[in-house]
Amino acid sequence: IQMTQSPPSLSAPVGGRVTITCRASQFISTYLNWYQQTPGKAPKLLIYAASNLHSGVPSRFSGSESGTDFTLTITGLQPGDSATYYCQQTYSFPHTFGQGTKVEIK
Amino acid sequence: EVQLVESGGGLVQPGGSLRLSCAASGFSVSDNYMTWVRQPPGQGLEWVSVIYTGGATNYAEFVQGRFTISRDNSKNTVYLQMHSLRAEDTAVYYCARDPVQNTGWHTLDSWGQGTLVTVSS
Repeated sequence: IQMTQSPPSLSAPVGGRVTITCRASQFISTYLNWYQQTPGKAPKLLIYAASNLHSGVPSRFSGSESGTDFTLTITGLQPGDSATYYCQQTYSFPHTFGQGTKVEIK
Repeated sequence: EVQLVESGGGLVQPGGSLRLSCAASGFSVSDNYMTWVRQPPGQGLEWVSVIYTGGATNYAEFVQGRFTISRDNSKNTVYLQMHSLRAEDTAVYYCARDPVQNTGWHTLDSWGQGTLVTVSS
């Protein structure tokens, strides 16, 4: 299963809002996770099952699903949100990742 | 506290072999799916392999037949044996826990710090 993320990168101001999209090449129900990775660090789980917030993740992060399209939205952007965000499908093995979206906070 | 510590990375020549280790603490590797994910320099994440609680395994097509995942329950450690290494295998290799048996959903909720494998002559 191929996962296509867009855009590859984006920039937004502190306090702003960004939306990242991930499209699956086939039906994956809601078997979709989102991760955040800052430079030099391991990824961190943000959202699982398309829209469920992982423990400890701020409610500024949210996820949604529409068919084979999935969206990660971050509101009230903070400087610490500068990172690369990845989607991952877990519908079937191999659990493929999207190419990533780099978010810069201005 | 859940912790994963990878080791075993380094410089290896093309065609060579290397074994990575992932020592876990704070939980049992035998009670979880354990996964290896890699990240080539400056690139995105690539899912590599998984070992299920029952011991079955699964691999990405690009490592099938060259890599083997295993675990030692007595040492609470997961391994990735890599053979016939190629330049394109150069990456930081992470191990991660997938607590699907407890949660019902596949996630990678805990990650190690990664170990760098460089394949070059």
